[in-house]
Amino acid sequence: AIQLTQSPTSLSASVGDRVTITCRASQGLSHALAWYQQKPGKPPILLIYDASSLQSGVPSRFSGSGSGTDFTLTISSLQPEDFATYYCQQFSSSPSITFGQGTRLDIK
Amino acid sequence: QITLKESGPTVVKPTQTLTLTCTFSGFTLSTSGVGVGWIRQPPGKALEWLALMYWDDDERYSPSLKSRLTIIKDTSKNQVVLKMTNMDPVDTATYYCAHRRRGFNGYEWYFDYWGQGTLVTVSS
Repeated sequence: AIQLTQSPTSLSASVGDRVTITCRASQGLSHALAWYQQKPGKPPILLIYDASSLQSGVPSRFSGSGSGTDFTLTISSLQPEDFATYYCQQFSSSPSITFGQGTRLDIK
Repeated sequence: QITLKESGPTVVKPTQTLTLTCTFSGFTLSTSGVGVGWIRQPPGKALEWLALMYWDDDERYSPSLKSRLTIIKDTSKNQVVLKMTNMDPVDTATYYCAHRRRGFNGYEWYFDYWGQGTLVTVSS
């Protein structure tokens, strides 16, 4: 099964900062990678799918990029509501789905 | 408007079988391309995919849990049921069902609508 490793596992940042989270796959992926945001006690919210497509209703400060084994989620200017845990998720054609271990984003 | 809601026991004993029901609205699981998945999350830990149900009755399972899982759909009731046998304390988690979002090529699985989740504790 394809493993996903996120880095960093946690980070602290300030409102207005630009933040990048990385997701590395153990094998090359096509494009089938997504990013989710999760707040405590709530289900995840889909932010990005197909590595770089913005899900409807998600603010444009969120963007995704990457291909092969390395993918990134970027938040261009952090807002107070963005402090949360972020997960990447891949789909492969077995079919099989795996999630990364998560990146916790805290207020500095 | 798509909604999903999980229901089932909050506590199960070790070795018992867990049965969870996902009741949904706003879509039909007989429509081509539609699907529902189950995902769980142990307290303080990461998300783990469990199973997928396709519109055409195809099913897929996490390889590590395949022997313990069964997913069933009841289109007339707008429900998807997940059964997990031989429950253990390590299976304590919040269990979510979620609606499939396909990607550009049409075969991908992402999850765009989620239920609120149901916490299942495995304890004697």
